[in-house]
Amino acid sequence: DTGVSQNPRHKITKRGQNVTFRCDPISEHNRLYWYRQTLGQGPEFLTYFQNEAQLEKSRLLSDRFSAERPKGSFSTLEIQRTEQGDSAMYLCASSLSGGANNYGYTFGSGTRLTVV
Amino acid sequence: DQQVKQNSPSLSVQEGRISILNCDYTNSMFDYFLWYKKYPAEGPTFLISISSIKDKNEDGRFTVFLNKSAKHLSLHIVPSQPGDSAVYFCAASGSGTASKLTFGTGTRLQVTL
Repeated sequence: DTGVSQNPRHKITKRGQNVTFRCDPISEHNRLYWYRQTLGQGPEFLTYFQNEAQLEKSRLLSDRFSAERPKGSFSTLEIQRTEQGDSAMYLCASSLSGGANNYGYTFGSGTRLTVV
Repeated sequence: DQQVKQNSPSLSVQEGRISILNCDYTNSMFDYFLWYKKYPAEGPTFLISISSIKDKNEDGRFTVFLNKSAKHLSLHIVPSQPGDSAVYFCAASGSGTASKLTFGTGTRLQVTL
């Protein structure tokens, strides 16, 4: 078990370009979450999956954002037509359903996106 | 609408002393509260949690206290160690939310020698 892995660690992109991030959760975890963290703020919930089903999306998640978790394993988060306001740390976390409240999620190290 | 608030952005404590980090919340539907620690360039790491049916939970040097009537919780670290220097986030989740967490803005703890 190598924990939650996120790639890339850093991404610099020009405004208007599309970017995709990948998250590999802990293999036996059926829940996967995406959060976004900006400077001086705590992580903000974006979306979560139970197995391959995307069960909730935050209203923070505009139409330019899409997430997938094919086959209930890894997940991708795509941002289309990036804007400077998308610059943030994107965090992925995983857990077993029913366990997160007592034992917390396991977070990855995040992908830092800079839109120039 | 900041439902979870950490009003102290930073705290400095001497090694060996007690560190007390505070957190307030506004949503009475929250029923689990968690503390995470974050080092630079790493994701948050789970520390300790407490259910709303309890008022105290202890794990080694870390104790979380919950005062539901005041909608306030605190994390006590005794004794504080230099390795505890990090940003601490308070988070809360409500029943039926699939453990979706609402985080505070964090408190940076510095433990000095």
